[in-house]
Amino acid sequence: DVKVTQSSRYLVKRTGEKVFLECVQDMDHENMFWYRQDPGLGLRLIYFSYDVKMKEKGDIPEGYSVSREKKERFSLILESASTNQTSMYLCASSFLAGGPGSSYNEQFFGPGTRLTVL
Amino acid sequence: RKEVEQDPGPFNVPEGATVAFNCTYSNSASQSFFWYRQDCRKEPKLLMSVYSSGNEDGRFTAQLNRASQYISLLIRDSKLSDSATYLCVPDSNAGGTSYGKLTFGQGTILTVHP
Repeated sequence: DVKVTQSSRYLVKRTGEKVFLECVQDMDHENMFWYRQDPGLGLRLIYFSYDVKMKEKGDIPEGYSVSREKKERFSLILESASTNQTSMYLCASSFLAGGPGSSYNEQFFGPGTRLTVL
Repeated sequence: RKEVEQDPGPFNVPEGATVAFNCTYSNSASQSFFWYRQDCRKEPKLLMSVYSSGNEDGRFTAQLNRASQYISLLIRDSKLSDSATYLCVPDSNAGGTSYGKLTFGQGTILTVHP
């Protein structure tokens, strides 16, 4: 079974703190993704990575950065946490699609981290 | 126009009912489509993949109409355990390599009651 794990289920931080969210997958997936999920807004892509040390901005990258030093690990960093970053953060991974015209692969999600910034 | 539009519901149905969810997507280049299920306070999990005109998996049937850019999910003989949010998910194909990005709809809430 594919397993995606996240470092914390619940996290409470103060405004201005630097926050690290860790994600690890055990299926040798090339792609890894970070989303946040908020009521009424659905899942929104923050950043993704298709290879070690490679990263691409998603739809809402402002206020976030990422790191992928090893294939199995993808970290999300909040440089200076703010209250509007209170949210559920979900990490996902998938195999790399076969290129233009090929089928995409399902994404497997971790259990999520509910972050509260006070 | 939103990239993925779903009726948010909630749909409240009795056990044994048949219920259908509809979804429209705006990206004509999308080639792969998925339905995910998300239980309350849990992560999304794949329910079905839809690669051609449609497919069936037990009580679940997914249909795809590429011309109309429309996907549907039919659930027959609803169970209490089907209560969840159902997310419509086309791929984010932009004609080149999109690195496996998917576009998640906001979801349709289903509640099945006794």
